[in-house]
Amino acid sequence: GESVGLHLPTLSVQEGDNSIINCAYSNSASDYFIWYKQESGKGPQFIIDIRSNMDKRQGQRVTVLLNKTVKHLSLQIAATQPGDSAVYFCAENMRRLTFGEGTQLTVNP
Amino acid sequence: GAVVSQHPSWVICKSGTSVKIECRSLDFQATTMFWYRQFPKQSLMLMATSNEGSKATYEQGVEKDKFLINHASLTLSTLTVTSAHPEDSSFYICSARARTGEDSPLHFGNGTRLTVT
Repeated sequence: GESVGLHLPTLSVQEGDNSIINCAYSNSASDYFIWYKQESGKGPQFIIDIRSNMDKRQGQRVTVLLNKTVKHLSLQIAATQPGDSAVYFCAENMRRLTFGEGTQLTVNP
Repeated sequence: GAVVSQHPSWVICKSGTSVKIECRSLDFQATTMFWYRQFPKQSLMLMATSNEGSKATYEQGVEKDKFLINHASLTLSTLTVTSAHPEDSSFYICSARARTGEDSPLHFGNGTRLTVT
């Protein structure tokens, strides 16, 4: 079936660096995508979303890029902080929300 | 922002007993809520869609008689794990949309850690 997957399971960065987390999706008909952050023992927290009629959307310190040609989604975090350490999931929203495998982001002080 | 609350946050029960988990939307009404399960180091897997005033819709492979869902009001859905076994130990998370339309994000509760001994 259709799936949403991530390229890398772990990412380690230095505090202050920019982080890029990637996600590939396989359903070309998907028209809405969401990035979530999940801290240990907690539920996912909404970060940012993007609709398929856009290729870029910016929030506070975060940017999501959507490349529909190659079915790729990325989350960029600027000036990564220790509090950004968490697992990040991309999700494809079509009738039901389908999560990718997640990337564990570790920020080193 | 939209708040979804779950209770309890953790529960330990003996094998064979039943456990009820509550999910409430605190500042909005939700005709639909979603129940997910997450095993350690894994992603979230949708179990079922809870519909206010009607039967829940279960994903393939999820036993509806084992995971009973009741959505009796616009702000409350419950998941009851019946005759729990150790393999049911997991992190259960509910979610809901604060507004209608599939192009709006789901808001999640903080999950319930179930341990079956």
